[in-house]
Amino acid sequence: GAGVSQSPRYKVAKRGQDVALRCDPISGHVSLFWYQQALGQGPEFLTYFQNEAQLDKSGLPSDRFFAERPEGSVSTLKIQRTQQEDSAVYLCASSPRLGTANTGELFFGEGSRLTVL
Amino acid sequence: GNSVTQMEGPVTLSEEAFLTINCTYTATGYPSLFWYVQYPGEGLQLLLKATKADDKGSNKGFEATYRKETTSFHLEKGSVQVSDSAVYFCALIGSSASKIIFGSGTRLSIRP
Repeated sequence: GAGVSQSPRYKVAKRGQDVALRCDPISGHVSLFWYQQALGQGPEFLTYFQNEAQLDKSGLPSDRFFAERPEGSVSTLKIQRTQQEDSAVYLCASSPRLGTANTGELFFGEGSRLTVL
Repeated sequence: GNSVTQMEGPVTLSEEAFLTINCTYTATGYPSLFWYVQYPGEGLQLLLKATKADDKGSNKGFEATYRKETTSFHLEKGSVQVSDSAVYFCALIGSSASKIIFGSGTRLSIRP
C-alpha cells in the first residue's frame, strides 16, 4: 500500500517475553520515527533514524528497548523481557525529509497495540 | 525542555457549534507548531501547521494562529460537523531539533 504499515496490529505478551514490532515506511522516505502512546496520552518520542543511521535514541525508556533499520527501509522495534508498563500503542512514522529540515509532516501508521499481562 | 500543554477533554459539542481547543507551549528559540488529528481507526495525520510567529495555519475549516507573545496555538473552527469527531493533538518541533513533541490530546465528540 501507499501508507506506513505496521505489524502486528495487536500483540499480547506475557510478562518477561520478548516482542518485535515491524514498521514498513512509505517507499523512499529517509526519516523514520518510533513513538510510544500510552492510553489517554499523546505520543512520546522513542527514537529516530535517518536512512539506516539511528541518530537519536534518547527516548528509549530502558536498555530493554532496541530499534534497528539495517537497510534504511523497514524498521523493527524490539522489547526484551516485557513488563506491564510497556503496554501501549507503538507508532511508527516516516517522512521524506531529513532531520531539522523536517517540516513536521510525519506520515503515521495505525500503530501496534501491545498488551503485557 | 520543550513541551506542549493542551486543554483536557473530552469536549462534546452540538453540530454547527464554534470550537476552540487551547494549546500553549514552552520552547527555546522559534519552534514550528502543528495540529495533528486522529480519526477513529486511523493513524495520526497532520491537520495544519505554522512555522513562524503570526502565521495562521488552516485546513478543512480549522484555523490556528502562532502567537509568540502568549506562546499559544489555539485550534478553532466556526461550525463543527459530526465528521470532526476525533482526537486532536497540538505539537511542536524545536528550531534545533528533529523530533516532534506532542501534547496529551483532546477528544472531540460532535452530536448531530
